[in-house]
Amino acid sequence: AQSVTQLDSQVPVFEEAPVELRCNYSSSVSVYLFWYVQYPNQGLQLLLKYLSGSTLVKGINGFEAEFNKSQTSFHLRKPSVHISDTAEYFCAVRPGYALNFGKGTSLLVTP
Amino acid sequence: EAGVAQSPRYKIIEKRQSVAFWCNPISGHATLYWYQQILGQGPKLLIQFQNNGVVDDSQLPKDRFSAERLKGVDSTLKIQPAKLEDSAVYLCASSLSIGGGETQYFGPGTRLLVL
Repeated sequence: AQSVTQLDSQVPVFEEAPVELRCNYSSSVSVYLFWYVQYPNQGLQLLLKYLSGSTLVKGINGFEAEFNKSQTSFHLRKPSVHISDTAEYFCAVRPGYALNFGKGTSLLVTP
Repeated sequence: EAGVAQSPRYKIIEKRQSVAFWCNPISGHATLYWYQQILGQGPKLLIQFQNNGVVDDSQLPKDRFSAERLKGVDSTLKIQPAKLEDSAVYLCASSLSIGGGETQYFGPGTRLLVL
């Protein structure tokens, strides 16, 4: 089964600083990769996804991610975070029908 | 465009009781998913429907959980009897089709507490 490892459970960062949330996956076959965000008491919202083509994927709210096949990674980045980016972020892979999620990274942005 | 609707938003029951959750997907979405999200973990797929047929229910505890999607639109997930470990957020999602690259749109979830 395909698995996802989010390397940091919590990431504290100051407002306007850059941030990187790390995600590694285990796969011997091609997969689709996703990042979702979950704000408190809300459902998940898609930030971006990688299906094929360019390894740099741009998403909503200024986020981007880079697919690295040799390192089996799909790290999420934002050059300058806002208070409103405080949320839980989930990396997911979809080798078949199911989305397999990581355990999540809690991003806390402080002034 | 209306999103995925779920009800109720919160539910508290005692163990061994039964409970049901309802989901209405985005109009025109053929594929519907139920996920279980335990505190501190990512969502885990319980069951996936394509129209009114089950595609994958391999992780559904069938001795106590059941789900149906009559007429291929809205869906109900039931737990009977509930156990303490069923305390979680139950998320419903839908997508236009079953393709692997399709975006899944999530509802706000039903937060279940079993006492």
